Amino acid sequence: AQSVTQPDIHITVSEGASLELRCNYSYGATPYLFWYVQSPGQGLQLLLKYFSGDTLVQGIKGFEAEFKRSQSSFNLRKPSVHWSDAAEYFCAVGPSNFGNEKLTFGTGTRLTIIP
Amino acid sequence: DAEITQSPRHKITETGRQVTLACHQTWNHNNMFWYRQDLGHGLRLIHYSYGVQDTNKGEVSDGYSVSRSNTEDLPLTLESAASSQTSVYFCASSGQGFPDTQYFGPGTRLTVL
Repeated sequence: AQSVTQPDIHITVSEGASLELRCNYSYGATPYLFWYVQSPGQGLQLLLKYFSGDTLVQGIKGFEAEFKRSQSSFNLRKPSVHWSDAAEYFCAVGPSNFGNEKLTFGTGTRLTIIP
Repeated sequence: DAEITQSPRHKITETGRQVTLACHQTWNHNNMFWYRQDLGHGLRLIHYSYGVQDTNKGEVSDGYSVSRSNTEDLPLTLESAASSQTSVYFCASSGQGFPDTQYFGPGTRLTVL
């Protein structure tokens, strides 16, 4: 069964500092990977996704993520965070095959930005 | 612009009552999903549908039901609400292409007293 681990429940970063959020997955085939962001009281917004090709993917709001098959990881990065990046971030894997469109989510990482 | 909406956004109900949460999408997506979000658990899949008249159970389906009579709507019903069903509920949809991205609604916060 597929699974996603986000080892960091809560991360605090100073505004302007760099950010890396970790995501590890367990999956039996070529994974399709997603990062979503959830601002307080809002739904989930897609930041970026990896389906195939270049393992470094660019997303919205200046985020990027790198797929590393050897480490089963898909870590999210941003070179300089802004106060508006404070939110909860979810990594997800799937769908496993055509006709099975489900995603499996990690438990999320809450990001706090300090001035 | 296409969108996915949920109603109500907030709901307070009593134990034992039947509650229905609405989800409506204008993406013309075949696939629709219901999740619940709880602290420490992330998002867990309740039910999903791949098209009209199709419904499937997710990992936490006990006490919930869905029906799909058209492409746009997938209402979620709590047959007899329990305090353990206090949560934030999200609806999502995705298209027929594989793989495809799931797009989420704004959520419904449900409190069962």
